[in-house]
Amino acid sequence: QSALTQPASVSGSPGQSITISCTGASSDVGGYNFVSWYQQHPGKAPKLMIYDVSHRPSGVSNRFSGSKSGTTASLTISGLQAEDEADYFCWSYTTSSTWVFGGGTRVTVL
Amino acid sequence: DVQLVESGGGLVQPGGSLRPSCAGSGFTFSNYWMHWVRQAPGKGLVWVSRISSDGTNTNYADSVKGRFTISRDNARNTLYLEMNSLRAEDTAVYHCGRIIVGATGVDFWGQGTLVTVSS
Repeated sequence: QSALTQPASVSGSPGQSITISCTGASSDVGGYNFVSWYQQHPGKAPKLMIYDVSHRPSGVSNRFSGSKSGTTASLTISGLQAEDEADYFCWSYTTSSTWVFGGGTRVTVL
Repeated sequence: DVQLVESGGGLVQPGGSLRPSCAGSGFTFSNYWMHWVRQAPGKGLVWVSRISSDGTNTNYADSVKGRFTISRDNARNTLYLEMNSLRAEDTAVYHCGRIIVGATGVDFWGQGTLVTVSS
């Protein structure tokens, strides 16, 4: 199962908006609304930011939003803050009844 | 508070076996499907396995199928990962995660347990 494709890094200044893409195939991202996004700070466990493409768990800032078009899912962070600097991973269900992560994106706040 | 605490990692030789566990507390463990994922040092997250709330439905990544077995003991609120025929490439921190009921995201993760496969 090939990993989903994410940009290695994305950067932005405080207050700006950035978008992280997650590209898969019709057998995973394109075939199901089962994409979630996780934030991970160094040495820490992942934290759920978005599930089922666009649902935000309670306690997660509304600056985080998710969407999907075809075989590409996206995570947008608006009003970028220093604390948003972390690694972000997308994750999707697949037709093989398995799950696949993206390679991860390092977000840097300039 | 919801807690997931992994244990049972360690150093093992290639070809050896290990059985990490994940103890859940602060929630009704038997209501939740669970995942294991892993992360090699400095690398990204990789999905390993999933199990249904009652333990009857399991799925595995191709890289571990036939070598790893996921199971759970709901009476003990504990999830397990039996790992056999271990290889150097299995070296990673192994995290367990709780799946949201009725959805597919993992809303709580444990801090992980390190498994090192080396001679």
